[in-house]
Amino acid sequence: EDKVVQSPLSLVVHEGDTVTLNCSYEVTNFRSLLWYKQEKKAPTFLFMLTSSGIEKKSGRLSSILDKKELFSILNITATQTGDSAIYLCAGRDSGYALNFGKGTSLLVTP
Amino acid sequence: GAVVSQHPSWVICKSGTSVKIECRSLDFQATTMFWYRQFPKQSLMLMATSNEGSKATYEQGVEKDKFLINHASLTLSTLTVTSAHPEDSSFYICSATRGGSYEQYFGPGTRLTVT
Repeated sequence: EDKVVQSPLSLVVHEGDTVTLNCSYEVTNFRSLLWYKQEKKAPTFLFMLTSSGIEKKSGRLSSILDKKELFSILNITATQTGDSAIYLCAGRDSGYALNFGKGTSLLVTP
Repeated sequence: GAVVSQHPSWVICKSGTSVKIECRSLDFQATTMFWYRQFPKQSLMLMATSNEGSKATYEQGVEKDKFLINHASLTLSTLTVTSAHPEDSSFYICSATRGGSYEQYFGPGTRLTVT
């Protein structure tokens, strides 16, 4: 059975801190790993990773995939209160469906 | 582009009644639509995958007779929760893909509360 595990489950940091969120996966016929940010409504797309070792970056967020060790990390530098959200990672197999982890709830305090 | 809407955004119904939730792709044709359910502090759990004009594929443990999915056109899928019970109270989110792309575009979700 496919499995996506995120850690930590929740995290509280101060503004300006750097955080690293972890995602390990076991997905049969793995194709890609996706990161989403979920605030009060539906998830918004952050990154899709398909190749090992290639960092994807968007502003203060970056992510990398290790297909050998079956994990991905999401880094957020210089955190802001607006980064407070649940961060979800999802593994995709050869189909279209996504297998989501439970998410990491991040709270950034002023 | 790639906007997905859901209606209603919030619904309260009595136990035993049925509720229909609509998912629409507003500016593209959705070849595949997905329905997810999210309980408080839990992740999104895929319920079913639907392709236009064919029967939905349900995930293990999801009752197809209770959660009726219709994908009658390339821009509309509906999820009907039949004979709803309080344990069906949840956040229901749909997503859609277009063309040959694997990227899923999520709707804003529907909060269902069954009293």
